[in-house]
Amino acid sequence: EVQLLESGGGLVQPGGSLRLSCAASGFTFTSYAMSWVRQAPGKGLAWVSAISASGGSTYYADSVKGRFTISRDNSKNTLYLQMNSLRAEDTAVYYCAKDPSGITAHFDVWGQGTTVTVSS
Amino acid sequence: QSALTQPASVSGSPGQSITISCTGTSSDVGGYNYVSWYQQHPGKAPKLMIYDVSKRPSGVSNRFSGSKSGNTASLTISGLQAEDEADYYCSSYTDSGTLVVFGGGTKLTVL
Repeated sequence: EVQLLESGGGLVQPGGSLRLSCAASGFTFTSYAMSWVRQAPGKGLAWVSAISASGGSTYYADSVKGRFTISRDNSKNTLYLQMNSLRAEDTAVYYCAKDPSGITAHFDVWGQGTTVTVSS
Repeated sequence: QSALTQPASVSGSPGQSITISCTGTSSDVGGYNYVSWYQQHPGKAPKLMIYDVSKRPSGVSNRFSGSKSGNTASLTISGLQAEDEADYYCSSYTDSGTLVVFGGGTKLTVL
């Protein structure tokens, strides 16, 4: 069964850091680009970051550029999102998603999400 | 404000058809055939329903169809069923530098 399982969410103070993980199974992880998509409480979906299959190319939304870092460990079939200098507006459910198109055109598999709350 | 514009809500009775629009620009919807649609039930992860404007992933009912004209894409659901009640989001590849843009979402109510 194709599956993505996020972890690492929690409560963090403004200015703090958090690292999210996404464990992939059931497909050849090394063949696919991956993305993080978030959803603030009661709001819509917002793309956050993407990484190529090899990990050699990374992309970020303007709202997180310079603060978040996406990476992957293909030997562990795991995707990461390092989040620094967190702000209240980063509060959201964070989903990892598999990108079969290779150019972030669409996402065919999503994790269940992990909740990040930034508050003092 | 979302990059793609969707109506906040639509409704229909069981058995009817509804259409949700998604309006962008020539940098996204109008310029590429990379529009996708997602269904999201409360508390659940999004589910891919349509990709590349009109393609259906395996397992998605043929009651769901997609199309595009100019800068506006559309999702049509025919033969509405109670389980179709959910939020629907469109998205598109964009050459603006963001890579992906989403619509604000449309809440579908089955009366």
